[in-house]
Amino acid sequence: QSVLTQPPSASGTPGQRVTISCSGSSSNIGSNSVSWYQQVPGTAPKLLIYNNNQRPSGVPDRFSGSKSGTSASLAISGLQSEDEAHYYCAAWDDSLNGVFGGGTKLTVL
Amino acid sequence: QVQLVESGGGVVQPGRSLRLSCAASGFTFSSYAMHWVRQAPGKGLEWVAVIAYDGSNKFYADSVRGRFTISRDNSKKTLYIQMNSLRVEDTAFYYCARDGTLRGLKADYWGQGTLATVSS
Repeated sequence: QSVLTQPPSASGTPGQRVTISCSGSSSNIGSNSVSWYQQVPGTAPKLLIYNNNQRPSGVPDRFSGSKSGTSASLAISGLQSEDEAHYYCAAWDDSLNGVFGGGTKLTVL
Repeated sequence: QVQLVESGGGVVQPGRSLRLSCAASGFTFSSYAMHWVRQAPGKGLEWVAVIAYDGSNKFYADSVRGRFTISRDNSKKTLYIQMNSLRVEDTAFYYCARDGTLRGLKADYWGQGTLATVSS
């Protein structure tokens, strides 16, 4: 059971906008910033979003993040087939440990 | 270019030990905090431990505290994790990742992982 809660799956058609939610608590998302990672099966995770809504260089602006209270969201606009992957939210917890969501498998129909 | 290369994985019996290494190149290793994150086959990511840029602070997941020890040698640009009293549930791919902050989980570069299998 992961500390951060994500839906296990999401889907969309090419060109659509998809959002993935991440729910936490006052000790993690509520008081620390959120990161999002993309993982294609068989490869290492890749940082997509940090500090709630910042993109590392090279990440397309189709990816955006937001945070409100103890929840966060990742939005992907203009969905492409290459976006099919697992997505994980992550945050630091005030109990001095890192926490991940259980992951969301995104399918591009 | 930034590179992180893990090594040391393998098959070990329950109760035994294993030490994983992560060799860094292409950046100033001594300026970054470093994480170990693991992923059981077919499962999600689990944070394991983090160490400050100078080794002065270390934090662990409850599931490994007291059994695993994270360390680093900045002169060798290498990160380690010593895993003792291994359990079947420790079987996973172990990734090292660099982070600009100690308490953030904002890991911008990751290695490709090394598989540790605990089995009798």
